Amino acid sequence: AQKITQTQPGMFVQEKEAVTLDCTYDTSDQSYGLFWYKQPSSGEMIFLIYQGSYDEQNATEGRYSLNFQKARKSANLVISASQLGDSAMYFCAMREGGWTGNQFYFGTGTSLTVIP
Amino acid sequence: EAQVTQNPRYLITVTGKKLTVTCSQNMNHEYMSWYRQDPGLGLRQIYYSMNVEVTDKGDVPEGYKVSRKEKRNFPLILESPSPNQTSLYFCASSLLDRGTGELFFGEGSRLTVL
Repeated sequence: AQKITQTQPGMFVQEKEAVTLDCTYDTSDQSYGLFWYKQPSSGEMIFLIYQGSYDEQNATEGRYSLNFQKARKSANLVISASQLGDSAMYFCAMREGGWTGNQFYFGTGTSLTVIP
Repeated sequence: EAQVTQNPRYLITVTGKKLTVTCSQNMNHEYMSWYRQDPGLGLRQIYYSMNVEVTDKGDVPEGYKVSRKEKRNFPLILESPSPNQTSLYFCASSLLDRGTGELFFGEGSRLTVL
């Protein structure tokens, strides 16, 4: 079974609108971490946001928020007020065993295009 | 500046010619790992290291070797490269003892095996 599933290969959003990128995960661990990374066309991997499995509040970082629904095992990324510079590939990832865990799992990514 | 440095960034080689991709980090991170990125497959973990002299296999270790003789360096070795190892490779490091444990990535190494 896939550890991380991103079901949206490509998404389009109008500039200044909000967009949600879906991510579901599969783990039997109680302690784990969920991450979102952005990969622009230049290729580098940029860390966006983190959610720990014990965190009760949804994580937020500027225009990024993580909609964490533990019972559903989902960790969707919400980007508010989209900008042209948000056009990129977005990867959801999980680290089992919390911050001391040794295995990282990535989804297949969602390509986001922001339309002017 | 805190960074993970990979070399070479681009490489074209031929089947069977041994090559090494170097990775170095200046953040004193215990954890280092290698990933390959292929279209439609996302990133897959090749090997990881929890500390000096401690390495283990990830999901796709076949055809690769690693070593961790110093904390800052974690080279990826392809003893006999094959065309199916053509890919974009990322090295990453992470701090284990505090914080979120997020990965800090190098800029990537694009490898083509002919």
